[in-house]
Amino acid sequence: QSVLTQPPSASGTPDQRVTISCSGSSSNIETNYLYWYQQLPGTAPKLLIYKNDQRPSGVPDRFSGSKSGTSASLAISGLRSEDEADYYCAAWDDGLRGWVFGGGTKLTVL
Amino acid sequence: QVQLVQSGAEVKKAGTSVKVSCKASGGTFSNYVINWVRQAPGQGLEWMGWIIPLFGTVNYAQKFQGRVTVTADEPTSSAFMELSSLRSDDTALYFCCSGYVGEGPDSWGQGTLVTVSS
Repeated sequence: QSVLTQPPSASGTPDQRVTISCSGSSSNIETNYLYWYQQLPGTAPKLLIYKNDQRPSGVPDRFSGSKSGTSASLAISGLRSEDEADYYCAAWDDGLRGWVFGGGTKLTVL
Repeated sequence: QVQLVQSGAEVKKAGTSVKVSCKASGGTFSNYVINWVRQAPGQGLEWMGWIIPLFGTVNYAQKFQGRVTVTADEPTSSAFMELSSLRSDDTALYFCCSGYVGEGPDSWGQGTLVTVSS
């Protein structure tokens, strides 16, 4: 059972916009930054969004993040086949003094 | 951005220990926190613990307390994760990942597959 809650799956057609939600609590999402990672099959996770809504260099602006209270979301616009991957949210937890992850959302591009 | 290279796959017997290494390059090792995260087959990411090499400070997830030891060697810019009393459900891909103190991991190693057989 993951500390952060994500839907197990999401899907969309090419060029569509999809969102993935992430829900937590006052000890993690509400008081700390939210991070999103993309994991392509057979590879290590890659940082996609940091500090709630910031994109590392090289990440397309089709990816955007937002946070409000104890929830956050990742939006992907102009969906492409190469976006098919697992997406994880993560945040620091003040009580655990460590990182907590969502269970991951498998994105399928139909 | 630092690059992390991990040691190779391991096959271990239940009840024994495994030690995985993670070597950093391209950055100042002392500036980072090294985290260890594992991923069981077909499952999500699970944080195990972290170390700040500059101070030797560590913290472990409660689930692994007493079984995991994370260390670092600044001269070689390497971090290590040792997991003892291995069980079959410890079979997983183990990642090291780094970030600045107070920030989330932004660099990940390639992962080390640890297989525990009975």
